[in-house]
Amino acid sequence: NAGVTQTPKFRILKIGQSMTLQCTQDMNHNYMYWYRQDPGMGLKLIYYSVGAGITDKGEVPNGYNVSRSTTEDFPLRLELAAPSQTSVYFCASSSQGYGYTFGSGTRLTVV
Amino acid sequence: KNEVEQSPQNLTAQEGEFITINCSYSVGISALHWLQQHPGGGIVSLFMLSSGKKKHGRLIATINIQEKHSSLHITASHPRDSAVYICAVRFGGSARQLTFGSGTQLTVLP
Repeated sequence: NAGVTQTPKFRILKIGQSMTLQCTQDMNHNYMYWYRQDPGMGLKLIYYSVGAGITDKGEVPNGYNVSRSTTEDFPLRLELAAPSQTSVYFCASSSQGYGYTFGSGTRLTVV
Repeated sequence: KNEVEQSPQNLTAQEGEFITINCSYSVGISALHWLQQHPGGGIVSLFMLSSGKKKHGRLIATINIQEKHSSLHITASHPRDSAVYICAVRFGGSARQLTFGSGTQLTVLP
């Protein structure tokens, strides 16, 4: 019953550093998403994927990149980290867009 | 613009009280989700609705498609219900993406 697994749970980055947030799901869901959650705001969609090899931009994609080489994995890459990317990041998956399952989140601080 | 509005933003209740959280949206939707987020924790899906009413334990979710409005009710509230409750909708033709409300912080006092 792993569901959606995100790593790491916490990370502190210096401005200009890069990192990859990992996301893996074991439910064979075709849809996967990356969201960021800022204090007092609703979750915002960064990128999403409707299947292996297919990705598309969401509402706030600048400064991020994704890939989807397998059904299970959907990593989010931050290049040249900026303080504005300090946030909590959630990965989610769904089957045909129904019944969403969320990961436990990654709290990222850029200093 | 596709928008989701929740009210209230913050809610404090005494244990045992009946609680209602509201969600309104701007245009037609294909599904509405109620989610729960505990402090420092992940997000758990409570309900998915496209019409009518659903019940799970002490939680009840209703949706009125004509009014573009949904409510989440908690009966006999308990301190363990303290969490952020989030409404999220899938607008028609939105490639199955969710648009989220900003959440309602619920605190239930013993």
